[in-house]
Amino acid sequence: DAGVTQSPTHLIKTRGQQVTLRCSPKSGHDTVSWYQQALGQGPQFIFQYYEEEERQRGNFPDRFSGHQFPNYSSELNVNALLLGDSALYLCASSLEAGGNTEAFFGQGTRLTVV
Amino acid sequence: GDSVTQMEGPVTLSEEAFLTINCTYTATGYPSLFWYVQYPGEGLQLLLKATKADDKGSNKGFEATYRKETTSFHLEKGSVQVSDSAVYFCALRMRTGANSKLTFGKGITLSVRP
Repeated sequence: DAGVTQSPTHLIKTRGQQVTLRCSPKSGHDTVSWYQQALGQGPQFIFQYYEEEERQRGNFPDRFSGHQFPNYSSELNVNALLLGDSALYLCASSLEAGGNTEAFFGQGTRLTVV
Repeated sequence: GDSVTQMEGPVTLSEEAFLTINCTYTATGYPSLFWYVQYPGEGLQLLLKATKADDKGSNKGFEATYRKETTSFHLEKGSVQVSDSAVYFCALRMRTGANSKLTFGKGITLSVRP
């Protein structure tokens, strides 16, 4: 079991550009959540996808959007990048059935906006 | 809204010292509580969890007890090792599947000296 895999591991973008980050959930998981972890801070919830729809959203602007595919993998898109978007982006997967399962995290994508 | 407060860091200890990391929470209902650990350059790993009051989570010598009366979930270890050096995050999650985001504290860096 490969666990949660994210790609790419590192990325450098220029202010104003757009970026797409990818996540493959742990085998058997159907729910994907995305978090932003700024340097020295705890992860902040961006949004969660289940059954290919955004189910819950944190306090992030519309520049942040996502998608979930039929195989449960997910993408995070950020438009019009700002310097403040520089952070570690973490993907977490879990299983909806049972309601209270733990989330498994990937190693993250380190995004640097210059 | 729901929130998690962790003691200020960083914490530096000598090997075999006793560790306590404080965590308190504010929540409208009855959350599940978690401790995650982040080793340098890596994503988050679940260390332990507790799903109801008076539950004790334990793993790798670490323990934490869910105290509803004091809304706390303090992390303890009797004898730390150099390999325990990492960032520790306390987190909560409400139980319903449609509101299953994790809310994290700011994290605390633990350094253990040989």
